[in-house]
Amino acid sequence: GAGVSQSPSNKVTEKGKDVELRCDPISGHTALYWYRQSLGQGLEFLIYFQGNSAPDKSGLPSDRFSAERTGGSVSTLTIQRTQQEDSAVYLCASTHQRGGRETQYFGPGTRLLVL
Amino acid sequence: QKEVEQNSGPLSVPEGAIASLNCTYSDRGSQSFFWYRQYSGKSPELIMSIYSNGDKEDGRFTAQLNKASQYVSLLIRDSQPSDSATYLCAVNERPYGGGSNYKLTFGKGTLLTVNP
Repeated sequence: GAGVSQSPSNKVTEKGKDVELRCDPISGHTALYWYRQSLGQGLEFLIYFQGNSAPDKSGLPSDRFSAERTGGSVSTLTIQRTQQEDSAVYLCASTHQRGGRETQYFGPGTRLLVL
Repeated sequence: QKEVEQNSGPLSVPEGAIASLNCTYSDRGSQSFFWYRQYSGKSPELIMSIYSNGDKEDGRFTAQLNKASQYVSLLIRDSQPSDSATYLCAVNERPYGGGSNYKLTFGKGTLLTVNP
């Protein structure tokens, strides 16, 4: 596809359940980011994958959150034992880096609602 | 802690006026600077990138970069109601603790309202 895709687009779950959110980045993009955005708030950085380097997990809010990126492409963000405060839009972005310059493109997001 | 600061607004301008959005950043080693526009309920979309000191113009948008002052701005000329959105400044900053992989850091955004 031409852009970053995310699935599902919407997810409603019950408190305590686990959820998996998927991101398909633009082919060839070396870096991938996950962000969280609560209603009316700014982007909250969660995790950053860059090539084969160890991911920067400094933004993950708790050990219930984890992410992996398989084969340098598709990424999955997993939230275990979801809580109501996890309700937000989860955005994925992929970045093409060349010559010290980069361009980041966002997916449409997954809207997560924890009841 | 690397930071990117923006006034949260809201910034309100009349239609046809120039809207000026400002951003400061803390990492002097930053190399790339971006402005994103986010409409309510939508994902951010890239509207401008700038890498060198000075001005860069694209249509009604002008990005201005001053690395010495660690300051980047976005000017929107002839503002239209359709420009009403949150504008996010993003800076490519070195990861906390050093390392060679630069990470994109976003400000919290400035809400712009253009009144007809």
